[in-house]
Amino acid sequence: GQSLEQPSEVTAVEGAIVQINCTYQTSGFYGLSWYQQHDGGAPTFLSYNGLDGLEETGRFSSFLSRSDSYGYLLLQELQMKDSASYFCAVRKVDKIIFGKGTRLHILP
Amino acid sequence: NAGVMQNPRHLVRRRGQEARLRCSPMKGHSHVYWYRQLPEEGLKFMVYLQKENIIDESGMPKERFSAEFPKEGPSILRIQQVVRGDSAAYFCASSPVSGGRGDGYTFGSGTRLTVV
Repeated sequence: GQSLEQPSEVTAVEGAIVQINCTYQTSGFYGLSWYQQHDGGAPTFLSYNGLDGLEETGRFSSFLSRSDSYGYLLLQELQMKDSASYFCAVRKVDKIIFGKGTRLHILP
Repeated sequence: NAGVMQNPRHLVRRRGQEARLRCSPMKGHSHVYWYRQLPEEGLKFMVYLQKENIIDESGMPKERFSAEFPKEGPSILRIQQVVRGDSAAYFCASSPVSGGRGDGYTFGSGTRLTVV
């Protein structure tokens, strides 16, 4: 089987930094992706880690450790528009399997 | 450069009716994936198709659900004899390669199915 675990909710303050963790158990692992979804919207791709280490894209960074089956998404300089759900997703050879998502609440 | 087009955006069906959801992938994408999302839940993989082929349907319920991606036209997800538990958002995604790649999937806006 396969499983992805991430916190169901996280709360942070505008302007701060927040880290959303993800652990996974799966066979045939190719890499870890992160997606953002606003209420009523479609998931949008944020980042992908195929190798261990940190990937940075603007205010967002993502990290992967294959040996620990662990990754995280780091959001810096939080803005109110970052209030959304964030999904980690395991890329397998022919599909992507999503976690249940972390709802990020941002306080002014 | 139209993205992934799904229609209808909202669909209401009575119990026992059929629902047909359509998805046109991005231009140049030949791989289509369907996902179902229940309220406050993640996206559950349903099926992966290429033109005229079902590659992986391991997430499809055994009965009432079917999917196709014909040589011409959009991919169709068909739900027969809908029940209240089928109410969900159904998202289609497309990719130029199997399993996506470093830039991930492109998702459509989804079809919100409500069964009354």
